[in-house]
Amino acid sequence: EIVLTQSPGTLSLSPGERATLSCRASQSVSSSYLAWYQQKPGQAPRLLIYGASSRATGIPDRFSGSGSGTDFTLTISRLEPEDFAVYYCQQYGSSPPVTFGQGTKLEIK
Amino acid sequence: QVQLVQSGAEVKKPGSSVKVSCKASGGTFSSYTISWVRQAPGQGLEWMGRIIPILGIANYAQKFQGRVTITADKSTSTAYMELSSLRSEDTAVYYCARFQATTFDPWGQGTLVTVSS
Repeated sequence: EIVLTQSPGTLSLSPGERATLSCRASQSVSSSYLAWYQQKPGQAPRLLIYGASSRATGIPDRFSGSGSGTDFTLTISRLEPEDFAVYYCQQYGSSPPVTFGQGTKLEIK
Repeated sequence: QVQLVQSGAEVKKPGSSVKVSCKASGGTFSSYTISWVRQAPGQGLEWMGRIIPILGIANYAQKFQGRVTITADKSTSTAYMELSSLRSEDTAVYYCARFQATTFDPWGQGTLVTVSS
């Protein structure tokens, strides 16, 4: 099973700042199979990034993804108030076919 | 545009079963995969299993093998997740989501299942 470890657990920043979230895999993941989600309290997760770097429909361009192999990054260039939420990475592989990271909480400083 | 609407919250006794529904609208239900993901209070996301309605084939995460059954009714564009032998640790929000290629999009609104004596 591929384990995804996200860091930091909590990130405290102010609106307008840049956020960098990390997702490290226990073994190599194809870039095509790495995604990021945003979840706000009381809501279902929302797809942000797929294929490690492609934005989903309707996602603002301040969100970007990068990385390959075992190290992936989600960057939010300038934080807006609505960006404070929990972020999860997810990979699609063999068995089990899907695993998620434990999440990074992005909170207002 | 695909939308997934789930059934309402449930309160169950330990040892009983729960069946949660997920009705799809928009798109072609039979052509995509529906997955179920759960989230315990204050915890992360956990994949439970999936079904391909057009084939009627389901597979499950090893952790839930023998306890979960995922089915789909093509005539009503509805997927179901039934979890048996409930215990307190199964208290969670259960989500259905369309699994397309390698990602989940969209998601249902979630169904809270509370297991309590």
